[in-house]
Amino acid sequence: AQTVTQSQPEMSVQEAETVTLSCTYDTSESDYYLFWYKQPPSRQMILVIRQEAYKQQNATENRFSVNFQKAAKSFSLKISDSQLGDAAMYFCAFRSNFGNEKLTFGTGTRLTIIP
Amino acid sequence: DAGITQSPRHKVTETGTPVTLRCHQTENHRYMYWYRQDPGHGLRLIHYSYGVKDTDKGEVSDGYSVSRSKTEDFLLTLESATSSQTSVYFCAISESKVFYGYTFGSGTRLTVV
Repeated sequence: AQTVTQSQPEMSVQEAETVTLSCTYDTSESDYYLFWYKQPPSRQMILVIRQEAYKQQNATENRFSVNFQKAAKSFSLKISDSQLGDAAMYFCAFRSNFGNEKLTFGTGTRLTIIP
Repeated sequence: DAGITQSPRHKVTETGTPVTLRCHQTENHRYMYWYRQDPGHGLRLIHYSYGVKDTDKGEVSDGYSVSRSKTEDFLLTLESATSSQTSVYFCAISESKVFYGYTFGSGTRLTVV
């Protein structure tokens, strides 16, 4: 079974600064997807970024980018120019390309933005 | 959110009573999931469905049952609610052709007293 580990329960960053959230995963498979989801206080789960394992290029969505290290099984999220609206819980998730498309989630990192 | 709705949004119930949570989608997606969210545990899969009347257990299925009689509806039932089932419950949907991740419902906060 796959596992996803987020070792930082809480992080804080000054507004306009850059912060990196860590995620590692364990799998024996080579074909899979990785995701970062954001959960603001509204409770809604919002997809931030998606990475396909067979793509070498790191995914980027505006101020959000990932550092995908397949050999190290590491998938960190970098938020540049942090904004107050980035304050949320962030979940890393793994999905194998074999099986019924289930996502396995990490335990989350709570990000606080300091004005 | 557009395309997927959960009801109710909040519920308080007594220990030992049955509870049913509903998930309704208008996207005609094949896959539907129920997760629970608890502090320190992230989201954990309870049950999922890969088609009408096709369901399977997740990692925390004890005490829960599901049914899917129509593509658009996926019901989660707590047969006899316990305090350990106090949680936030999320429904999610996905499509198999190209996987872009889940679309989530807005969640149900269930409190068992």
